[in-house]
Amino acid sequence: SQQGEEDPQALSIQEGENATMNCSYKTSINNLQWYRQNSGRGLVHLILIRSNEREKHSGRLRVTLDTSKKSSSLLITASRAADTASYFCATPPGNNNDMRFGAGTRLTVKP
Amino acid sequence: GAVVSQHPSRVICKSGTSVKIECRSLDFQATTMFWYRQFPKQSLMLMATSNEGSKATYEQGVEKDKFLINHASLTLSTLTVTSAHPEDSSFYICSARVLGVPDGYTFGSGTRLTVV
Repeated sequence: SQQGEEDPQALSIQEGENATMNCSYKTSINNLQWYRQNSGRGLVHLILIRSNEREKHSGRLRVTLDTSKKSSSLLITASRAADTASYFCATPPGNNNDMRFGAGTRLTVKP
Repeated sequence: GAVVSQHPSRVICKSGTSVKIECRSLDFQATTMFWYRQFPKQSLMLMATSNEGSKATYEQGVEKDKFLINHASLTLSTLTVTSAHPEDSSFYICSARVLGVPDGYTFGSGTRLTVV
């Protein structure tokens, strides 16, 4: 079963704007990860945030985690056309085996 | 870094035939491999978990006789779609835990299966 729900499902913005994607999950977690997928391609790991962290940065990416609300957000600043992709949040379940993925947000950045 | 090589990247087959997808861990031993399926514009759904040397564990609703998984060695796991039908057309991705790397997962590049 799917772990997370993401919104929006689709997001279209102009180059240079910021893009914010949200993810909610259901069970307790040790960490939450964000992945990127270009159309019809494999997954690229973007960033991992642990349950004891509230915010993490990596380049133009900023991830927040609110364990009380069981939600996370991914912010991409100063977006570029090359950021066009689908973005998924994912969590290992409590026994830390497989990854469970959210529904994903399809981001389109228009040049 | 840990790399999983997945082949083929694309395959077209006729209805009723079988297709084998391979995932190899290139520079580490993958004791556990996960197989996901992704329909267009949808998320990845876990199909099964394979452990080296033992039977795979299938998620609810996934037919084990249709999706045969073999994990005979620490570096190779295969998924065979048997008697494929058009509704099996999908994107299949494997993933492996990377031991020694906390919360480390690595993914194959995926296989686009089209059944005609």
